[in-house]
Amino acid sequence: QVQLQESGPGLVKPSETLSLTCTVSGDSISSSTYYWAWIRQPPGKGLEWIGTIYYSGTTYYYNPSLKSRVTMSVDTSKNQLSLKLRSVTAADTAVFYCARQASLAATGNFDSWGQGTLVTVSS
Amino acid sequence: SYELTQPPSVSVSPGQTASITCSGDKLGDTYTCWYQQKPGQSPVVVIYQDTKRPSGIPERFSGSNSGNTATLTISGTQAMDEADYYCQAWDSSTVVFGGGTKLTVL
Repeated sequence: QVQLQESGPGLVKPSETLSLTCTVSGDSISSSTYYWAWIRQPPGKGLEWIGTIYYSGTTYYYNPSLKSRVTMSVDTSKNQLSLKLRSVTAADTAVFYCARQASLAATGNFDSWGQGTLVTVSS
Repeated sequence: SYELTQPPSVSVSPGQTASITCSGDKLGDTYTCWYQQKPGQSPVVVIYQDTKRPSGIPERFSGSNSGNTATLTISGTQAMDEADYYCQAWDSSTVVFGGGTKLTVL
């Protein structure tokens, strides 16, 4: 059974870069079957998709509203995916989840999720 | 950008049927899935590809999608079903979530 675990700083200063890592166990991130995603949820609010990437790193889609500040990458040797979100503000304070996505299409639901990690943007 | 609209809240009595809607332009032309999220927990998919239930999800959860509206139906609602529910669809290479519906069982 696949497990995903997010890690990274819980506090980031405004204007700096938020960096998170998701470690995948129980499945190879190089599996050709799945894609890997980041999703966030501000406290008390709904879910917002950040982006999805394939293990090759050459296929990815980002939320248009975040595209200019987001970079996602995959390290197959460590079975990890990473997220960088630049120039953060208080509005970026959220629980960040990594998730496995069944496909990069209409059939692509998120079938496994990490436990999430809270990142607060504050000076 | 594509938007999915859900009612903020739905209330249901135990044992009754709860229906949660998700509206979007021509939503029936694509697939919708539904997630359940309980306080302090990660979301769990309860319906995918409009009508399919993942292994381990009770049969009382069902889904439909036609026209501009997808519906999650919970038959014989139990207290344990009280949670936030989110619909999700795919549009123009982006994932879209609905705003979420808080289901109260009272």
